[in-house]
Amino acid sequence: EVQLVESGGGLVKPGGSLRLSCAASGFTFSSYSMNWVRQAPGKGLEWVSSISSSSSYIYYADSVKGRFTISRDNAKNSLYLQMNSLRVEDTALYYCARGGGVIGRYAMDVWGQGTTVTVSS
Amino acid sequence: SYELTQPLSVSVALRQTARITCGGDNIESKNVHWYQQKPGQAPVLVIYRNINRPSGIPERFSGSNSGNTATLTISRAQAGDEADYYCQVWDSSWVFGGGTKLTVL
Repeated sequence: EVQLVESGGGLVKPGGSLRLSCAASGFTFSSYSMNWVRQAPGKGLEWVSSISSSSSYIYYADSVKGRFTISRDNAKNSLYLQMNSLRVEDTALYYCARGGGVIGRYAMDVWGQGTTVTVSS
Repeated sequence: SYELTQPLSVSVALRQTARITCGGDNIESKNVHWYQQKPGQAPVLVIYRNINRPSGIPERFSGSNSGNTATLTISRAQAGDEADYYCQVWDSSWVFGGGTKLTVL
C-alpha cells in the first residue's frame, strides 16, 4: 500500500524551530518529487515547498523562503522540513504529498494525514 | 504571482450537475489539477492535467479547461460529494485556488 506518514509536529514558541518528517512506503521513493503543503485552521491549502527526486531542484513559497529547508533521504525513504524562525502564522496542519518525476508537471497524487504545528507563546 | 479564483460556495440538488470554476489568466495554457477534501481528511486528487481521472475516481467527475476558466463538473451529484474542492496549477511554483465548498441539497 502506498503510504505517507508525517510526524514531528507540536507546540513551539514564536522564533522557535521544528523538524517535520514524512515516512514513505509502498512505492519507489527515489523516483518521485515530494512536496509539503499546509492548511491553517479553517483555511485553504497553501503550498510550502517542493523537492525533486534527486534533490537537484528545490522550490519554496515566498512566505517560508529563508526560514524553512526541505530535504530528503532516499536511502531512508524520508522527506523532511526544517522550520526555523517560526511565526504564529505558520500554525497549520502540514501535509506531505507525492509529486511526479518532474516538479510542476504532475499532480500530487498521494497525501499523508498531516502533522499539526502550533506556534504560540 | 499567478492567482486562481474559485467561488466560495456552490450548491447543487441531489442527482443534478455541479460545476466548480477556477479562473486564471490564460489558464488554458496550464495543466489544472483538482482536489477534493472532506472534513477532517487529507485532500484527494480527483482530476489531473485538466481532464484525467485517477483510478478509483468515479466517471461522474470530469474536467475542462478553456480560455481563462477551468471547470470541474460533477454529474449526478451525491451526498458523499459534499466537500471542499481546490484547483491547482504550476507557475514556477505551485498555486492553489482558494477552494470551493460544494453543498448537495
